[in-house]
Amino acid sequence: RKEVEQDPGPFNVPEGATVAFNCTYSNSASQSFFWYRQDCRKEPKLLMSVYSSGNEDGRFTAQLNRASQYISLLIRDSKLSDSATYLCVVMDSSYKLIFGSGTRLLVRP
Amino acid sequence: DGGITQSPKYLFRKEGQNVTLSCEQNLNHDAMYWYRQDPGQGLRLIYYSQIVNDFQKGDIAEGYSVSREKKESFPLTVTSAQKNPTAFYLCASSNRLGGAETQYFGPGTRLLVL
Repeated sequence: RKEVEQDPGPFNVPEGATVAFNCTYSNSASQSFFWYRQDCRKEPKLLMSVYSSGNEDGRFTAQLNRASQYISLLIRDSKLSDSATYLCVVMDSSYKLIFGSGTRLLVRP
Repeated sequence: DGGITQSPKYLFRKEGQNVTLSCEQNLNHDAMYWYRQDPGQGLRLIYYSQIVNDFQKGDIAEGYSVSREKKESFPLTVTSAQKNPTAFYLCASSNRLGGAETQYFGPGTRLLVL
């Protein structure tokens, strides 16, 4: 079983749609959680951290469920520019980052 | 501008050849990392360094070597022992190990085997 699992997609949605991604992690001792965005053939960039209480940044909302060991990312009012691959990232107990394979999002006009 | 630079952008390796990928940062970060990404895969940690003159193996260190003689620089050598080196190589840095809030990535180097 992979340490961090994501649905690879692609999720193909129209502009303005709301889309949600889920991610599960296997190590209950994981310390911190993040979503990164990666554009095609580019480096990953931190989108947002994920806190136990949930957090929101504009159109993006991240949630963490420690009991079920899953993390979610909700994108409201999708824009064409949101098209990218979204990487779920978990920090393990030795402070190293474990990356999921990513979920690809395509937003169409 | 502060940031991380990697060179070259593309690199071609012949069979049996060692090649070195450059990574430089001017963010005054203590920790630096090397990752490998294969198509449709997540990033996998090759080596990391918490301070100058110290580095640790990551999950897939075999066939790779690194040095950390200067705080700003963390070059990665892909040796001939690495049998499947074709991948996208990403260098990153952070204030400290585990400082994922501030882990910045360079633009990457694509390595292809001829």
